[in-house]
Amino acid sequence: ETGVTQTPRHLVMGMTNKKSLKCEQHLGHNAMYWYKQSAKKPLELMFVYSLEERVENNSVPSRFSPECPNSSHLFLHLHTLQPEDSALYLCASSQEFPSSGSGETQYFGPGTRLLVL
Amino acid sequence: GQNIDQPTEMTATEGAIVQINCTYQTSGFNGLFWYQQHAGEAPTFLSYNVLDGLEEKGRFSSFLSRSKGYSYLLLKELQMKDSASYLCAPHNTDKLIFGTGTRLQVFP
Repeated sequence: ETGVTQTPRHLVMGMTNKKSLKCEQHLGHNAMYWYKQSAKKPLELMFVYSLEERVENNSVPSRFSPECPNSSHLFLHLHTLQPEDSALYLCASSQEFPSSGSGETQYFGPGTRLLVL
Repeated sequence: GQNIDQPTEMTATEGAIVQINCTYQTSGFNGLFWYQQHAGEAPTFLSYNVLDGLEEKGRFSSFLSRSKGYSYLLLKELQMKDSASYLCAPHNTDKLIFGTGTRLQVFP
């Protein structure tokens, strides 16, 4: 248990569906992240939120829409996804962002395994 | 540009020692993280090196040479449960840059 939870753990959706991924951290951190992990590829940073403000958006298609209502919760809203979006979606949190020290240590949730048909 | 290079796969025997190397080139550098990731699970934090040298933490040690853009993770007294992917992640000015990871298989 890292103090970061994600739901659902598994999700199968059609290309016309709309779904949301949820992340919650119980660590009192100020920064939260969404990553995509595809087979045999590095973790790709998608979005970063610091104190509920989006500070990073790494050229992610608009079919992915993040939402951070407070510093403990992070959502990723999905709509009209493509099969190549099938991947493990990981949420993480850290004490602060940006940071030049160990405050950047990120703690990951268990991930949501997404399959788009 | 930014580049991280680590071996794709390694194998070792239970009880042995294994060293996983990582070379990196990043724009800006604050330190380097190592994470462990078991199949289908989240990455978990192992170590963070800021200064040159070796940091030991139980069976795991991590080394950094900033001038050479080089790090390694040393795992001693290997156990079956150490079979996992090990991710090298330099920390540049504002984010972590992850490599593809090294998949380590430990055999009896």
